[in-house]
Amino acid sequence: QKEVEQDPGPLSVPEGAIVSLNCTYSNSAFQYFMWYRQYSRKGPELLMYTYSSGNKEDGRFTAQVDKSSKYISLFIRDSQPSDSATYLCAMSGGSNYKLTFGKGTLLTVNP
Amino acid sequence: KAGVTQTPRYLIKTRGQQVTLSCSPISGHRSVSWYQQTPGQGLQFLFEYFSETQRNKGNFPGRFSGRQFSNSRSEMNVSTLELGDSALYLCASSTGTVAGANVLTFGAGSRLTVL
Repeated sequence: QKEVEQDPGPLSVPEGAIVSLNCTYSNSAFQYFMWYRQYSRKGPELLMYTYSSGNKEDGRFTAQVDKSSKYISLFIRDSQPSDSATYLCAMSGGSNYKLTFGKGTLLTVNP
Repeated sequence: KAGVTQTPRYLIKTRGQQVTLSCSPISGHRSVSWYQQTPGQGLQFLFEYFSETQRNKGNFPGRFSGRQFSNSRSEMNVSTLELGDSALYLCASSTGTVAGANVLTFGAGSRLTVL
């Protein structure tokens, strides 16, 4: 079992739709949870950062963490064509400094 | 504030050759991490350096090596290249001072093609 599982998609939605992206994980030591967005031919950029369980909202983006279920989500409201990218979940915890990534979900928002 | 700079952006090598990739971190960041990204495996951790010392290492063969200089700039080297080494190699920097909470800022990557 991989430490982090993420459905690779692809996911295609119409402009204005609500998008839900998810990851599950197996390592109970993970306490820090991040979502990165990666446009084609670019490096990943940090979108959301949360610690432990709970919700965090930033504009059209909401990140949720449920540590009891080992499940994290990213919601995008009123999706725009500019949101078309690969979304990567990442997590870390314990005494090391590395991030463990999901494989990423390719999202296309159609005008 | 300048971001993470990786050079070269694109390179083509043949099997058996070696390659060196360079990374300049954000000013003030002392931790540099390297990741390999492929369509099949996603982002896989190679190693992390902090103050010129390798602090973490992923599960890659010894052909993959790295180092960090006193100015925090880092290089990674891959020797005896194989076709499967074709990938996007990403460098990321961070302050690296809080274990488990290492938020990374990535460069644009070096796209390596091995023929």
